[in-house]
Amino acid sequence: ETGVTQSPTHLIKTRGQQVTLRCSSQSGHNTVSWYQQALGQGPQFIFQYYREEENGRGNFPPRFSGLQFPNYSSELNVNALELDDSALYLCASSLDQDQPQHFGDGTRLSIL
Amino acid sequence: QQQVKQSPQSLIVQKGGISIINCAYENTAFDYFPWYQQFPGKGPALLIAIRPDVSEKKEGRFTISFNKSAKQFSLHIMDSQPGDSATYFCAASRGYQKVTFGIGTKLQVIP
Repeated sequence: ETGVTQSPTHLIKTRGQQVTLRCSSQSGHNTVSWYQQALGQGPQFIFQYYREEENGRGNFPPRFSGLQFPNYSSELNVNALELDDSALYLCASSLDQDQPQHFGDGTRLSIL
Repeated sequence: QQQVKQSPQSLIVQKGGISIINCAYENTAFDYFPWYQQFPGKGPALLIAIRPDVSEKKEGRFTISFNKSAKQFSLHIMDSQPGDSATYFCAASRGYQKVTFGIGTKLQVIP
């Protein structure tokens, strides 16, 4: 049990739609990262938020955006959904930048 | 660009045997090398990790061997058990954040 909770667990959308995924981390965890895990692949880093500011981004287009709130919970937003966006989206939090990450169980997003 | 290369992609081991998974990295700035275990429907869970200033780290049945000059590291699972059947990911990062993962190894331990 990592204390990282993601919602919803599963989601089905159609191409062109927009989606918001949510992550609630352990109390006091000021760093949250989002990863995309395609079927049969390892997770790929999307971006990180540290104390409500974006703090690094992987090789993902601007239609992937995020937010971190004052209580350090976080959202991942994806606009103009494409079929290739079908994946498991993982949230990981850590107490601070110099602490290991703890992953949630992810949101399975399917695009039809 | 695949910065962390992992092999094999699948592995079948008899119960009680040794499971070995190998990884190689390219970025010499990486200084943290974790291994994650992932069960179906779950997120990756940190199993064991190593820093490049040591060549080996052991925790219970799990051992990481690290070769800095070759830029390679491996996971050994001794006395493999059916409950170890899962997907294992090697990973690397500079510091603890923005982790780069390998493709994963699906391990099946048969009785």
